[in-house]
Amino acid sequence: EAAVTQSPRNKVAVTGGKVTLSCNQTNNHNNMYWYRQDTGHGLRLIHYSYGAGSTEKGDIPDGYKASRPSQENFSLILELATPSQTSVYFCASGEGRQDTQYFGPGTRLLVL
Amino acid sequence: SQLAEENPWALSVHEGESVTVNCSYKTSITALQWYRQKSGEGPAQLILIRSNEREKRNGRLRATLDTSSQSSSLSITATRCEDTAVYFCATDEEGGRALIFGTGTTVSVSP
Repeated sequence: EAAVTQSPRNKVAVTGGKVTLSCNQTNNHNNMYWYRQDTGHGLRLIHYSYGAGSTEKGDIPDGYKASRPSQENFSLILELATPSQTSVYFCASGEGRQDTQYFGPGTRLLVL
Repeated sequence: SQLAEENPWALSVHEGESVTVNCSYKTSITALQWYRQKSGEGPAQLILIRSNEREKRNGRLRATLDTSSQSSSLSITATRCEDTAVYFCATDEEGGRALIFGTGTTVSVSP
């Protein structure tokens, strides 16, 4: 069974603070993705990675950075958090672009 | 505008009834996937149907794909309360970077 874990599960941050969301997968998948989910918008792609050392911009990358230090780990970094980044963030992994994506349980972020 | 869109926005049925969610998309695809997201969880894939397939089944689930009308449907028969969830279609745009998800249909199944 594919396994993707995220930490923390819940986070409260202050405006202007730095936030790091972590994702770990034990599937040995090459591709990893970060999405945010907001009511009325569905899942929107922030950043993705094809493998260790690579990061690519998704559809809404502004205000976010990503880091893929290893095959297993993919982080999303908010250098200067803003209230508009309050959302639920999901990490996913997959073999390839056309293949099944396996999602983590999500991180609920509140920026005050 | 969304490149993939489910309709209707929400559905309510009673246990044992059937339900169908529709999806329309706007690009040429290699495959379409259906995902289910239960409250408090991440999405989980239900079915992947490739562009050369017209129908795919998985237990009580049946997906169809019509590439000429750029549409798909997901039907659930003999629904159960645990089928209550948001259902998404996701398309794999040819040459695209990643899956494109719709905004989802909320299905509520009551006893």
